[in-house]
Amino acid sequence: GAGVSQSPSNKVTEKGKDVELRCDPISGHTALYWYRQSLGQGLEFLIYFQGNSAPDKSGLPSDRFSAERTGGSVSTLTIQRTQQEDSAVYLCASSTMVGVNEKLFFGSGTQLSVL
Amino acid sequence: AQKITQTQPGMFVQEKEAVTLDCTYDTSDPSYGLFWYKQPSSGEMIFLIYQGSYDQQNATEGRYSLNFQKARKSANLVISASQLGDSAMYFCAMIPGGSQGNLIFGKGTKLSVKP
Repeated sequence: GAGVSQSPSNKVTEKGKDVELRCDPISGHTALYWYRQSLGQGLEFLIYFQGNSAPDKSGLPSDRFSAERTGGSVSTLTIQRTQQEDSAVYLCASSTMVGVNEKLFFGSGTQLSVL
Repeated sequence: AQKITQTQPGMFVQEKEAVTLDCTYDTSDPSYGLFWYKQPSSGEMIFLIYQGSYDQQNATEGRYSLNFQKARKSANLVISASQLGDSAMYFCAMIPGGSQGNLIFGKGTKLSVKP
C-alpha cells in the first residue's frame, strides 16, 4: 500500500476483554514498530520487529501485551484483560531498515478506549 | 540516560512569521540521528526533517530548518513564514547509535498559528 495502514481506527471495549490491533506496513519495509501515545503525552515505545530477528519487547508494559508479525509483513498487537489505563492511541510505524538515519513512517493509529 | 527534552508545552505565532521550537537531547553515543515530526489533529505522525550527528551543515527542508548545536546538544526546529496549516503538535525525536533504530520522543510542543 501507499502508507502504513492500521485497523481499526477506533476501538471501544470493556475492562477485562481482549483486543487485537492490526498494522499493515509499507511494502518492502523490514522494520516495524509499535508505540503508545497517552492523552497529551509523547510516544512510548512498545515493541519492534526487524526482519526475521527476535523482536525487541523491552517496551511492553506488562505480560498482558504481546505482538506478532506474520510473514515479515502484517503485525498484530494483542492486549489481554484490558484495563482502563490501557486507553491510548496505538501507533504503528515502519522503515526500510534499521539505522540512526532511518525515517519512520507512521500510520494514523488506533484509538483504544477501555470502559 | 538517553532523553529528549522539549520545554515549551505550547507556542503561539502570528501567520507569516518565523517560530523556533526548542529541543535538547542527551546521549553518550557519538552517532545518532535527530528527527522532527508533526502531528496534526488527525493523529498521523508526519516526518519533517532529519539531522545526523556527523552532518556538518544544518538540515533544511523547504520552510523547515534545524538549528543543530552539537556542543549544546540542541536541535531546534525553525519554521519560516508560518501558515495556518502549521498548527499541530511537534515532536523532537532521536535514534541513538546504540539502539536498534527505536525513536525516543520528547513530550511535544503544541504550535498554534494565529491569523
